Amino acid sequence: DARVTQTPRHKVTEMGQEVTMRCQPILGHNTVFWYRQTMMQGLELLAYFRNRAPLDDSGMPKDRFSAEMPDATLATLKIQPSEPRDSAVYFCASGLVNRGTDNSPLHFGNGTRLTVT
Amino acid sequence: AQKITQTQPGMFVQEKEAVTLDCTYDTSDQSYGLFWYKQPSSGEMIFLIYQGSYDEQNATEGRYSLNFQKARKSANLVISASQLGDSAMYFCAMREGRFEDRGSTLGRLYFGRGTQLTVWP
Repeated sequence: DARVTQTPRHKVTEMGQEVTMRCQPILGHNTVFWYRQTMMQGLELLAYFRNRAPLDDSGMPKDRFSAEMPDATLATLKIQPSEPRDSAVYFCASGLVNRGTDNSPLHFGNGTRLTVT
Repeated sequence: AQKITQTQPGMFVQEKEAVTLDCTYDTSDQSYGLFWYKQPSSGEMIFLIYQGSYDEQNATEGRYSLNFQKARKSANLVISASQLGDSAMYFCAMREGRFEDRGSTLGRLYFGRGTQLTVWP
């Protein structure tokens, strides 16, 4: 089965350090999402892309977070500088959204568990 | 206002029994889709079932069925014959609109806070 691949699975870093999370979406999917999951907030949408173009990053703290898709096989989420409150699980998800695919689900990666000390 | 509400933080069910997980949604769109995902303790998000707003029949996928009541804006997940492996967090989600209506902005899923299901022997 095709899968969304996220790296790293776990990341522990110190406050102030840069963190980069990577995602390889499923080949052929045209939409990529970044979600963050915490106990307090649940699943929050940070950003999403359609055909590599950013559509919405209103959920992302702009001063420290950035999301890009340098090519169709790679999406990145960077935090610089990281803070303890960024500790969470970050999920990448991809999907095919076109006419006739309204029922297509998002496929999630296994997530990156980030701990900022 | 919350787009998706799951009022049951935790549910318990005995193995082989059926269980219903509640989900209500809020949208002004006529077209939308409802999804359920399962998140076991290992953390991955697994898609279970989909219901479209225009679907007249309730969706079913194996032991999963979706009790869709459009007028009440509810989309409850029913798991029949529960198994120990069903113990997990379950999320209800909604996608608003159709591609014909929303085009490039279609796609994001709004998630509820989840229900932790525990199946006991």
